[in-house]
Amino acid sequence: AQKITQTQPGMFVQEKEAVTLDCTYDTSDQSYGLFWYKQPSSGEMIFLIYQGSYDEQNATEGRYSLNFQKARKSANLVISASQLGDSAMYFCAMRDLPTSGTYKYIFGTGTRLKVLA
Amino acid sequence: DTGVSQNPRHKITKRGQNVTFRCDPISEHNRLYWYRQTLGQGPEFLTYFQNEAQLEKSRLLSDRFSAERPKGSFSTLEIQRTEQGDSAMYLCASSLVLAGTNTGELFFGEGSRLTVL
Repeated sequence: AQKITQTQPGMFVQEKEAVTLDCTYDTSDQSYGLFWYKQPSSGEMIFLIYQGSYDEQNATEGRYSLNFQKARKSANLVISASQLGDSAMYFCAMRDLPTSGTYKYIFGTGTRLKVLA
Repeated sequence: DTGVSQNPRHKITKRGQNVTFRCDPISEHNRLYWYRQTLGQGPEFLTYFQNEAQLEKSRLLSDRFSAERPKGSFSTLEIQRTEQGDSAMYLCASSLVLAGTNTGELFFGEGSRLTVL
């Protein structure tokens, strides 16, 4: 069964510093996608970054980068130059592509990030 | 450009009553997903549609839950005989998945918060 594990319930980071949020996953499929979402206190889920299982380079989107280590089955999110507005819940998610061709996205339990001024 | 729209945003009901939530996805998206999220947890998959076909339903979804997507446009999620344990945020998301690609992030609505008294 597919599974996403986020072991850090909460993290603190000083403003302007970098922070890494951990994510490990488990799947038997060869083709899958990994996503990170941000959920501020207002509740909406905001897509941040995507990494495909066959992508050789780590994904980057502005201040977000994904440290993808396929052999370790980890997909950590790195936020550089943290800002106060980065304070939120962060969810790692995976989408498998089983042989049936269906896509189902599963989410981890999240990490609450607090940026300190 | 309109995003995913959900209504009502908040619903308070008494135990045993039926409730229905509506989701209007992004118009060109072919997949629609329902998730449930409780406080401090990640979104939990409920069901999803490709166009009007319901392709998968979580085993966690009891017979009291039913979802439809007539004509492949908007979707409804109905909960019959609500229980206090149904209290949660119900999130709808849509995505565009094209054959031969492995992308397609989820775009979420703002959610419908259900409180069962």
